[in-house]
Amino acid sequence: DQQVKQNSPSLSVQEGRISILNCDYTNSMFDYFLWYKKYPAEGPTFLISISSIKDKNEDGRFTVFLNKSAKHLSLHIVPSQPGDSAVYFCAASAATDSWGKLQFGAGTQVVVTP
Amino acid sequence: GAVVSQHPSWVICKSGTSVKIECRSLDFQATTMFWYRQFPKQSLMLMATSNEGSKATYEQGVEKDKFLINHASLTLSTLTVTSAHPEDSSFYICSARETPPDKNIQYFGAGTRLSVL
Repeated sequence: DQQVKQNSPSLSVQEGRISILNCDYTNSMFDYFLWYKKYPAEGPTFLISISSIKDKNEDGRFTVFLNKSAKHLSLHIVPSQPGDSAVYFCAASAATDSWGKLQFGAGTQVVVTP
Repeated sequence: GAVVSQHPSWVICKSGTSVKIECRSLDFQATTMFWYRQFPKQSLMLMATSNEGSKATYEQGVEKDKFLINHASLTLSTLTVTSAHPEDSSFYICSARETPPDKNIQYFGAGTRLSVL
C-alpha cells in the first residue's frame, strides 16, 4: 500500500509564479519528510527536508510546510524558473526504522513555461 | 555536498549474463546504502538495504539470489544482477546515508540504465 501519496501527476506553471506541490501520508510514525528533484535518466537530488517537530522550513526559493494533523505537506517554489522543470518526489521516514528507509510518493512532473 | 558515484551509467548485456553495478560514496562514509529500481514514469521502488560488513536486507518480493548485494567497505556497495533477462531491464539507482547519519537524508547516484537483450 502506498503510504506516501502525490495525487497530482503533473503541474504546469508560468515562469516567475509560485509552484505548489502537495503530498499526503498515512503512516503516523513518519517523523521526517524530504523533497527530491529528479531529471530524466539521473538520480534524485535532495532539495529540502522537515522534521515533524516543525511546521515550516525554508531554503532560498524552496519552502516546505507540514500539517501533521492533516498528514499533509507541501513544497512551494517561488519564483519558479525554467530549470525547475523536473519530477519532484516527496519522501518520508520513520524514527522506528533504524536504517532510515525512505518511502517515496509517485512524483509530480513540473513544467515551467516561459 | 555529499557525492555518490554510480557506475556504469548504461549497460547492455545479453540474456543470461551477469551485470555488476557499483555505488561509491566519494566524500563521506556510508554504513548504509540503498538500491532502488525505477520503472518508466513510476516512483522509486526500494529493492534492498545494504549494510557494510553484513548481509543486505531485501524488500518483499525481491529475489536475493537474483540481485546480489555486497557492501565490503564504508564507501562501496555493489549490485550484481545475475543471469539477467529482458524483464530485468530497468533503471537502477543507489543511494547512501552518511555515517553518522545527517537525519535520514539519502544522497543518490546518477543511476544505471540496464538493457537486457
